[in-house]
Amino acid sequence: GDSVTQMEGPVTLSEEAFLTINCTYTATGYPSLFWYVQYPGEGLQLLLKATKADDKGSNKGFEATYRKETTSFHLEKGSVQVSDSAVYFCALSDSWDDKIIFGKGTRLHILP
Amino acid sequence: EPEVTQTPSHQVTQMGQEVILRCVPISNHLYFYWYRQILGQKVEFLVSFYNNEISEKSEIFDDQFSVERPDGSNFTLKIRSTKLEDSAMYFCASRSGVTGELFFGEGSRLTVL
Repeated sequence: GDSVTQMEGPVTLSEEAFLTINCTYTATGYPSLFWYVQYPGEGLQLLLKATKADDKGSNKGFEATYRKETTSFHLEKGSVQVSDSAVYFCALSDSWDDKIIFGKGTRLHILP
Repeated sequence: EPEVTQTPSHQVTQMGQEVILRCVPISNHLYFYWYRQILGQKVEFLVSFYNNEISEKSEIFDDQFSVERPDGSNFTLKIRSTKLEDSAMYFCASRSGVTGELFFGEGSRLTVL
C-alpha cells in the first residue's frame, strides 16, 4: 500500500540555519503530496501541498518540490526561526477526497 | 476563521469502559475523518465518513469502534470497551468539498488505565 517515509528527528538547528527535512513516498498512482505542521498543543495544519510532478508548494518561507523520478518531497527553508519549532509531517493522498496517509513526523527544535 | 473543535481535550478512563469523543466539523464541510496518534508514532487513519455513512475504514477500526453524526453538526467516535492500547491522541478532521483541504481539530487525548 501507499506509504510515506521521512527522516527521523529530532532535528536541532540554530536560528537562521538552512533546513531540509527529507521525505520519500511509495504510491501506485500519482498522489498529491503535503506537508503538515503541528505546533505545541495544537492540531495539524496544512503547510503546503503539490498535486503533480514538478509542482513546487510554498508557504511561510518553506518550499517542497514534487519529484516523481526520486519519489521525494523534501521540505526546505532558507533561514529558520525559533517560531518554526514544531513537528512536521509529510503526507500523501491518492485523490483529493481520499484519506491522507502520514509519515511519522519530524520534530524540529530551533535554538535562538 | 472557521475551525474544527474537539471535546474533551483529555479523557482518562478505565480499561473496559466506553468512551465517546466529540467533534464539531466546519459547518459546510461534507467529508469527515478520525485519525489517531499513539505517543511518538505516526498519525494513523481510522475512518472516513461521507453522506451519513462510512466511506472507508482501516484495520484499526474494528467492531469496538463506531462513528455517528447524530444531529447534523456533531461527529462522534465511540470506543465501546477501551483497551490499554487505545491510549492515543485522536484527531478529527473535516474536508471542504470545494478546495479539498483537510482541517484538523486540536485533538482529544485518551488515556486508558
